[in-house]
Amino acid sequence: LAKTTQPISMDSYEGQEVNITCSHNNIATNDYITWYQQFPSQGPRFIIQGYKTKVTNEVASLFIPADRKSSTLSLPRVSLSDTAVYYCLVGDIQDAGKSTFGDGTTLTVKP
Amino acid sequence: NAGVTQTPKFRVLKTGQSMTLLCAQDMNHEYMYWYRQDPGMGLRLIHYSVGEGTTAKGEVPDGYNVSRLKKQNFLLGLESAAPSQTSVYFCATKTYLDKLEATNEKLFFGSGTQLSVL
Repeated sequence: LAKTTQPISMDSYEGQEVNITCSHNNIATNDYITWYQQFPSQGPRFIIQGYKTKVTNEVASLFIPADRKSSTLSLPRVSLSDTAVYYCLVGDIQDAGKSTFGDGTTLTVKP
Repeated sequence: NAGVTQTPKFRVLKTGQSMTLLCAQDMNHEYMYWYRQDPGMGLRLIHYSVGEGTTAKGEVPDGYNVSRLKKQNFLLGLESAAPSQTSVYFCATKTYLDKLEATNEKLFFGSGTQLSVL
């Protein structure tokens, strides 16, 4: 299983861009990278997923370098409501039980 | 369309008691999962199922049993609860995608069950 390493916590201010990096040095060829967001007392919610290069959707961008040993979740112009825990998962999405959650990054957005 | 529904939302048990947590989904997803989340930590996979009648062990299966008799339901059982099983339990579902269509495959989570074992 590919182990992931993320910063434990990050602080930001409203309106800033936030980049959260995840290291996954032993990522396998069939592994995808997926990010989830979790608010207190709720289950995690899917944010974005990618395999290589850059992926963008309506809420975030995901940057994956050519060696795929790390990935960066980018949140543009954060607001107070983006305060949450963000998890990076690496796993073969065709292998039902293989993806593992790490301890996540607690993002605190300040006014 | 309720998505993923977990019952109960809260439960307090005494050591040695048994209970069953129910996860029900109306999305017709093939895969279902049970996770536990301890304070300040990430989610750890207990058991999962890739289809009706099948189950498999995850990272932390000891002390738990599961059953998937119907596609829409996934039950998590604690036969003899221990204080170490105090946690928040989350159920999740995922649909199977063909490799060629494997984009944005995602887990859908329920709202969790807070379990305290005294």
